[in-house]
Amino acid sequence: RKEVEQDPGPFNVPEGATVAFNCTYSNSASQSFFWYRQDCRKEPKLLMSVYSSGNEDGRFTAQLNRASQYISLLIRDSKLSDSATYLCVVSHYSGGYQKVTFGTGTKLQVIP
Amino acid sequence: DGGITQSPKYLFRKEGQNVTLSCEQNLNHDAMYWYRQDPGQGLRLIYYSQIVNDFQKGDIAEGYSVSREKKESFPLTVTSAQKNPTAFYLCASSPPLRLAVYTGELFFGEGSRLTVL
Repeated sequence: RKEVEQDPGPFNVPEGATVAFNCTYSNSASQSFFWYRQDCRKEPKLLMSVYSSGNEDGRFTAQLNRASQYISLLIRDSKLSDSATYLCVVSHYSGGYQKVTFGTGTKLQVIP
Repeated sequence: DGGITQSPKYLFRKEGQNVTLSCEQNLNHDAMYWYRQDPGQGLRLIYYSQIVNDFQKGDIAEGYSVSREKKESFPLTVTSAQKNPTAFYLCASSPPLRLAVYTGELFFGEGSRLTVL
């Protein structure tokens, strides 16, 4: 079983739609959770951290369920510029080292 | 502006040649990392370093070597022993864990795309 699992997609949605991505992780010691965005042939960039209480940044809402080891990302009112691959990322600290594990990503294509 | 600089952006190599990818950061970060990305496989950790003159193997270190002689620099050498080196290589860094405002994110360079001919 992969440490971080995501549906690879692609998710093809029309502009203005709401889309949700899910992610599960296997390591119960995971402490920090993130969503990164990666454009084609570019480096990943942090979209948002994910907190236990859930958090929102404009059209983006992230949720964390530690009991189920499940993370979600909701994008409302999709824009063409949201087209990218979204990476679910978890990390934990061990021996002073931050071990970061990336999911394989979910591809989103927003269609005009 | 502070950031991470990787070079070269594109590199072509003949089989049997070693190549070195450069990674320099001026963020004053302690930890640095090298990842490899292949299509459909996500990012996999090659090597990481927490402090100068110390580095550890990641999940796929075979065929690679690194050095950390300066805090700012963490070059990666792809040796001829690496059986399938064609990939997108990403260098990242992170601040000290003791930094209260640090949320745990990694800061990435723009990547180096290596193709073996």
